[in-house]
Amino acid sequence: GQNIDQPTEMTATEGAIVQINCTYQTSGFNGLFWYQQHAGEAPTFLSYNVLDGLEEKGRFSSFLSRSKGYSYLLLKELQMKDSASYLCAVINSNYQLIWGAGTKLIIKP
Amino acid sequence: DGGITQSPKYLFRKEGQNVTLSCEQNLNHDAMYWYRQDPGQGLRLIYYSQIVNDFQKGDIAEGYSVSREKKESFPLTVTSAQKNPTAFYLCASKWIAGEAGELFFGEGSRLTVL
Repeated sequence: GQNIDQPTEMTATEGAIVQINCTYQTSGFNGLFWYQQHAGEAPTFLSYNVLDGLEEKGRFSSFLSRSKGYSYLLLKELQMKDSASYLCAVINSNYQLIWGAGTKLIIKP
Repeated sequence: DGGITQSPKYLFRKEGQNVTLSCEQNLNHDAMYWYRQDPGQGLRLIYYSQIVNDFQKGDIAEGYSVSREKKESFPLTVTSAQKNPTAFYLCASKWIAGEAGELFFGEGSRLTVL
């Protein structure tokens, strides 16, 4: 089967750094997405990785290792508004999107 | 502004009733999708459409129906055959189905069965 694993919940402090991991086993790979979703709202695009390495975009960075089936999302200088769920999704060889259950990130002052 | 509009945002249904959720996009995207989101689970694909007048079942299509008569519109009907319809429903679109493009989402519709 195909599956994506992410921690269910994480807690971090305002101003700190947090890393959210995602491991995947899919039939083929055509890229990995990270989305942010605030409670009751639509997911919004954060990043897309298809090659190994780190992609940096402001306070957010995303890393991919295809050989290890592993990605992480790194959030720096955490703000209260970063409290949300973070969804990892992989595009398989049939261009189907396989979604993880999401990681709920709680930011404390 | 281009985007995806879902309505209604909140909907209550009695058991045995069919309800239709609206999804309209003005992004000129060919591909449109309906997902269901339940607490603690990933997004699950209900139906998708790659082009007008064509659609395919996703992983959990039973109890749902769709139509794609116009490029801009992809309504979802939740029928009385759906055993557990209470959920958050998300409509999404992208340029082309068979490529690795970004998925754009509507604001979602929360359906509650009374």
